[in-house]
Amino acid sequence: EPEVTQTPSHQVTQMGQEVILRCVPISNHLYFYWYRQILGQKVEFLVSFYNNEISEKSEIFDDQFSVERPDGSNFTLKIRSTKLEDSAMYFCASSELRDTQYFGPGTRLTVL
Amino acid sequence: QKEVEQNSGPLSVPEGAIASLNCTYSDRVSQSFFWYRQYSGKSPELIMSIYSNGDKEDGRFTAQLNKASQYVSLLIRDSQPSDSATYLCAVRENSGGSNYKLTFGKGTLLTVNP
Repeated sequence: EPEVTQTPSHQVTQMGQEVILRCVPISNHLYFYWYRQILGQKVEFLVSFYNNEISEKSEIFDDQFSVERPDGSNFTLKIRSTKLEDSAMYFCASSELRDTQYFGPGTRLTVL
Repeated sequence: QKEVEQNSGPLSVPEGAIASLNCTYSDRVSQSFFWYRQYSGKSPELIMSIYSNGDKEDGRFTAQLNKASQYVSLLIRDSQPSDSATYLCAVRENSGGSNYKLTFGKGTLLTVNP
């Protein structure tokens, strides 16, 4: 069964460093998303992406964040200068149409 | 601010019992509703979606939607210890345009005791 994959599973970085989180959505899906979940808190929407552009972003998704689909399969989230409060699980999701979103296994980001 | 509210639990039921999980939402334009299961340290896993008022059954799971009351529920029949997890209610509005984001509740922790 097709699934969303994410790498790395765990990323440790120093405050102020740039990180890139990678995702491979399900192959025939057209809509891509990033969510994050701080430990013990809700899953929060960050950004949605369709047709090679951002379709919506939350107030969390400030200028430090960017997304890209560099080729036909990968979808990346970049955090330019990480802060302690960026420590969280980051989930990529994809959907075929405006429909059910399937989540990847997540990347645990730890900012020291 | 759209809100999705769930009782955080824990909800504890004996094996074989029916577990009932509830969710309310604040935004009347919400049109699509999802239940996800999340094991500790893992990602949300889709259980069911529901779009119309009434009940929708899938195996041991039944989702119920009442848009007038802005209420969604999930029933798990014949609960098993492997059902022990946090259950997330998620809501999406269909307001046209490109707004497909999900708004999640904080989740209800379910424990099924053998």
